[in-house]
Amino acid sequence: GEDVEQSLFLSVREGDSSVINCTYTDSSSTYLYWYKQEPGAGLQLLTYIFSNMDMKQDQRLTVLLNKKDKHLSLRIADTQTGDSAIYFCAESFSYSSASKIIFGSGTRLSIRP
Amino acid sequence: NAGVTQTPKFRVLKTGQSMTLLCAQDMNHEYMYWYRQDPGMGLRLIHYSVGEGTTAKGEVPDGYNVSRLKKQNFLLGLESAAPSQTSVYFCASSTGEDYGYTFGSGTRLTVV
Repeated sequence: GEDVEQSLFLSVREGDSSVINCTYTDSSSTYLYWYKQEPGAGLQLLTYIFSNMDMKQDQRLTVLLNKKDKHLSLRIADTQTGDSAIYFCAESFSYSSASKIIFGSGTRLSIRP
Repeated sequence: NAGVTQTPKFRVLKTGQSMTLLCAQDMNHEYMYWYRQDPGMGLRLIHYSVGEGTTAKGEVPDGYNVSRLKKQNFLLGLESAAPSQTSVYFCASSTGEDYGYTFGSGTRLTVV
Protein backbone atom coordinates (compact mmCIF):
# COMPACT_ATOMS: atom_id res chain seq x y z
CA GLY A 1 0.00 0.00 0.00
CA GLU A 2 0.89 3.64 -0.01
CA ASP A 3 3.37 4.80 2.60
CA VAL A 4 5.30 7.97 3.33
CA GLU A 5 8.29 7.85 5.68
CA GLN A 6 10.35 10.57 7.28
CA SER A 7 12.65 10.82 10.25
CA LEU A 8 11.06 12.06 13.48
CA PHE A 9 13.56 14.69 14.61
CA LEU A 10 16.04 17.20 13.21
CA SER A 11 18.08 19.77 15.11
CA VAL A 12 19.95 22.58 13.35
CA ARG A 13 21.81 25.70 14.39
CA GLU A 14 20.17 29.04 13.73
CA GLY A 15 21.35 30.44 10.42
CA ASP A 16 22.29 27.04 8.98
CA SER A 17 20.31 25.22 6.31
CA SER A 18 17.81 22.54 7.30
CA VAL A 19 17.20 19.55 5.05
CA ILE A 20 14.19 17.37 5.78
CA ASN A 21 13.95 14.13 3.85
CA CYS A 22 11.04 11.92 2.90
CA THR A 23 10.55 8.70 0.97
CA TYR A 24 7.33 7.51 -0.55
CA THR A 25 6.20 4.27 -2.13
CA ASP A 26 3.51 5.11 -4.68
CA SER A 27 4.98 6.01 -8.05
CA SER A 28 1.61 7.18 -9.38
CA SER A 29 1.57 10.25 -7.14
CA THR A 30 0.48 13.41 -8.90
CA TYR A 31 1.59 15.99 -6.37
CA LEU A 32 3.89 15.93 -3.38
CA TYR A 33 3.56 18.40 -0.55
CA TRP A 34 5.26 19.87 2.44
CA TYR A 35 3.05 21.02 5.31
CA LYS A 36 4.11 22.88 8.44
CA GLN A 37 2.45 22.49 11.83
CA GLU A 38 3.21 24.96 14.60
CA PRO A 39 2.34 24.08 18.21
CA GLY A 40 -1.39 23.98 18.85
CA ALA A 41 -2.25 24.71 15.23
CA GLY A 42 -3.45 22.85 12.19
CA LEU A 43 -1.32 21.98 9.20
CA GLN A 44 -0.42 24.76 6.82
CA LEU A 45 0.54 24.06 3.21
CA LEU A 46 4.11 25.29 2.70
CA THR A 47 4.75 24.25 -0.86
CA TYR A 48 4.02 21.52 -3.35
CA ILE A 49 5.65 20.06 -6.42
CA PHE A 50 4.10 18.36 -9.42
CA SER A 51 5.41 14.87 -10.01
CA ASN A 52 6.98 15.73 -13.38
CA MET A 53 9.21 18.40 -11.83
CA ASP A 54 12.65 17.90 -10.29
CA MET A 55 12.95 21.06 -8.29
CA LYS A 56 10.93 23.98 -7.04
CA GLN A 57 12.25 27.04 -5.28
CA ASP A 58 10.22 29.53 -3.28
CA GLN A 59 12.23 32.15 -1.37
CA ARG A 60 14.06 30.23 1.42
CA LEU A 61 12.46 26.92 0.49
CA THR A 62 13.82 24.46 -2.07
CA VAL A 63 12.04 21.23 -2.86
CA LEU A 64 13.91 18.44 -4.64
CA LEU A 65 12.17 15.43 -6.10
CA ASN A 66 13.97 12.26 -7.20
CA LYS A 67 11.30 10.12 -8.82
CA LYS A 68 13.65 7.24 -9.50
CA ASP A 69 14.46 6.86 -5.81
CA LYS A 70 11.02 8.11 -4.67
CA HIS A 71 12.74 10.67 -2.50
CA LEU A 72 11.52 14.17 -1.64
CA SER A 73 13.44 16.76 0.33
CA LEU A 74 12.76 20.21 1.74
CA ARG A 75 15.66 22.59 2.25
CA ILE A 76 15.14 25.67 4.40
CA ALA A 77 17.92 28.20 3.94
CA ASP A 78 19.05 30.46 6.80
CA THR A 79 16.92 28.63 9.36
CA GLN A 80 15.26 30.91 11.92
CA THR A 81 13.63 30.26 15.28
CA GLY A 82 10.25 30.79 13.64
CA ASP A 83 10.92 27.71 11.52
CA SER A 84 10.60 25.50 14.62
CA ALA A 85 7.67 23.23 13.84
CA ILE A 86 6.69 19.78 12.66
CA TYR A 87 7.04 19.31 8.90
CA PHE A 88 4.90 16.77 7.14
CA CYS A 89 5.66 15.24 3.78
CA ALA A 90 2.59 14.12 1.84
CA GLU A 91 1.73 12.63 -1.52
CA SER A 92 -1.50 12.71 -3.44
CA PHE A 93 -2.97 10.44 -6.03
CA SER A 94 -6.39 10.00 -7.53
CA TYR A 95 -8.57 7.11 -6.67
CA SER A 96 -12.27 6.47 -6.90
CA SER A 97 -13.96 9.88 -7.00
CA ALA A 98 -11.50 11.89 -4.96
CA SER A 99 -7.86 12.73 -4.68
CA LYS A 100 -6.32 11.21 -1.60
CA ILE A 101 -3.40 12.59 0.38
CA ILE A 102 -1.20 10.33 2.48
CA PHE A 103 0.87 12.01 5.19
CA GLY A 104 4.15 11.01 6.72
CA SER A 105 4.50 10.95 10.50
CA GLY A 106 6.18 14.36 10.56
CA THR A 107 9.70 15.64 11.32
CA ARG A 108 10.08 17.87 14.35
CA LEU A 109 12.58 20.62 13.54
CA SER A 110 14.23 22.29 16.50
CA ILE A 111 16.56 25.27 16.25
CA ARG A 112 19.49 25.74 18.58
CA PRO A 113 21.25 29.08 19.08
CA ASN B 1 -11.83 35.08 5.97
CA ALA B 2 -12.36 32.21 8.42
CA GLY B 3 -11.31 29.24 6.24
CA VAL B 4 -11.97 26.02 8.17
CA THR B 5 -13.41 26.33 11.68
CA GLN B 6 -13.62 23.46 14.14
CA THR B 7 -15.67 23.38 17.32
CA PRO B 8 -15.05 22.65 20.10
CA LYS B 9 -11.31 23.17 20.51
CA PHE B 10 -11.05 20.95 23.59
CA ARG B 11 -13.26 18.30 25.12
CA VAL B 12 -13.03 15.68 27.84
CA LEU B 13 -15.43 12.74 27.61
CA LYS B 14 -16.10 9.79 29.84
CA THR B 15 -15.96 6.33 28.30
CA GLY B 16 -19.29 5.53 26.67
CA GLN B 17 -20.40 9.13 26.18
CA SER B 18 -21.24 10.49 22.77
CA MET B 19 -20.36 13.75 21.08
CA THR B 20 -20.27 15.51 17.73
CA LEU B 21 -17.40 17.53 16.34
CA LEU B 22 -18.35 20.26 13.91
CA CYS B 23 -16.33 21.44 10.95
CA ALA B 24 -17.41 24.46 8.92
CA GLN B 25 -15.75 25.92 5.83
CA ASP B 26 -16.58 29.11 3.97
CA MET B 27 -14.53 28.50 0.81
CA ASN B 28 -17.23 26.63 -1.13
CA HIS B 29 -15.01 23.54 -1.21
CA GLU B 30 -16.56 20.33 -2.45
CA TYR B 31 -14.31 17.94 -0.54
CA MET B 32 -14.03 17.65 3.22
CA TYR B 33 -12.02 15.30 5.41
CA TRP B 34 -11.65 14.22 9.01
CA TYR B 35 -8.22 13.12 10.26
CA ARG B 36 -6.88 12.09 13.62
CA GLN B 37 -3.35 12.83 14.72
CA ASP B 38 -1.54 10.64 17.20
CA PRO B 39 2.09 10.98 18.33
CA GLY B 40 4.53 9.39 15.89
CA MET B 41 1.74 8.29 13.54
CA GLY B 42 1.12 11.35 11.44
CA LEU B 43 -2.41 11.96 10.22
CA ARG B 44 -4.80 9.14 9.51
CA LEU B 45 -7.95 9.62 7.47
CA ILE B 46 -11.16 8.72 9.30
CA HIS B 47 -13.88 9.66 6.81
CA TYR B 48 -14.22 12.01 3.89
CA SER B 49 -16.87 13.55 1.68
CA VAL B 50 -16.75 14.45 -2.01
CA GLY B 51 -19.84 16.63 -1.90
CA GLU B 52 -23.04 17.49 -0.08
CA GLY B 53 -24.92 14.38 0.95
CA THR B 54 -21.96 12.02 0.38
CA THR B 55 -19.60 10.32 2.81
CA ALA B 56 -16.98 7.59 2.52
CA LYS B 57 -14.69 5.64 4.83
CA GLY B 58 -11.02 6.37 5.19
CA GLU B 59 -8.25 4.35 6.84
CA VAL B 60 -9.61 4.26 10.41
CA PRO B 61 -13.42 4.66 10.31
CA ASP B 62 -14.42 2.27 13.12
CA GLY B 63 -16.16 3.97 16.04
CA TYR B 64 -16.96 7.12 14.06
CA ASN B 65 -19.84 8.32 11.92
CA VAL B 66 -20.09 11.41 9.72
CA SER B 67 -22.70 13.48 7.97
CA ARG B 68 -22.57 16.16 5.27
CA LEU B 69 -26.09 17.55 5.13
CA LYS B 70 -24.87 20.98 4.01
CA LYS B 71 -21.95 21.67 1.72
CA GLN B 72 -20.22 23.89 4.23
CA ASN B 73 -20.48 21.54 7.22
CA PHE B 74 -18.97 18.15 7.96
CA LEU B 75 -19.86 16.53 11.28
CA LEU B 76 -17.90 13.78 13.02
CA GLY B 77 -19.75 11.73 15.61
CA LEU B 78 -18.56 9.40 18.31
CA GLU B 79 -21.47 7.27 19.48
CA SER B 80 -19.73 5.57 22.43
CA ALA B 81 -16.35 7.09 23.18
CA ALA B 82 -13.41 4.87 24.08
CA PRO B 83 -9.98 5.82 25.52
CA SER B 84 -8.42 4.74 22.20
CA GLN B 85 -10.20 7.70 20.62
CA THR B 86 -8.15 10.15 22.65
CA SER B 87 -6.47 12.17 19.92
CA VAL B 88 -6.30 15.48 18.12
CA TYR B 89 -8.87 15.65 15.34
CA PHE B 90 -8.36 17.78 12.26
CA CYS B 91 -10.85 18.73 9.62
CA ALA B 92 -9.71 19.75 6.16
CA SER B 93 -11.32 20.85 2.94
CA SER B 94 -10.25 21.12 -0.69
CA THR B 95 -11.50 21.93 -4.15
CA GLY B 96 -10.86 18.34 -5.19
CA GLU B 97 -7.95 19.36 -7.37
CA ASP B 98 -4.50 18.33 -6.20
CA TYR B 99 -3.53 21.67 -4.75
CA GLY B 100 -3.52 20.61 -1.12
CA TYR B 101 -5.91 20.92 1.73
CA THR B 102 -6.90 23.74 4.06
CA PHE B 103 -6.89 22.56 7.66
CA GLY B 104 -8.76 23.66 10.74
CA SER B 105 -6.88 24.28 13.98
CA GLY B 106 -7.93 20.98 15.53
CA THR B 107 -9.99 19.57 18.39
CA ARG B 108 -8.15 17.95 21.28
CA LEU B 109 -10.31 15.14 22.64
CA THR B 110 -9.53 13.18 25.80
CA VAL B 111 -11.58 10.13 26.73
CA VAL B 112 -11.20 9.03 30.34
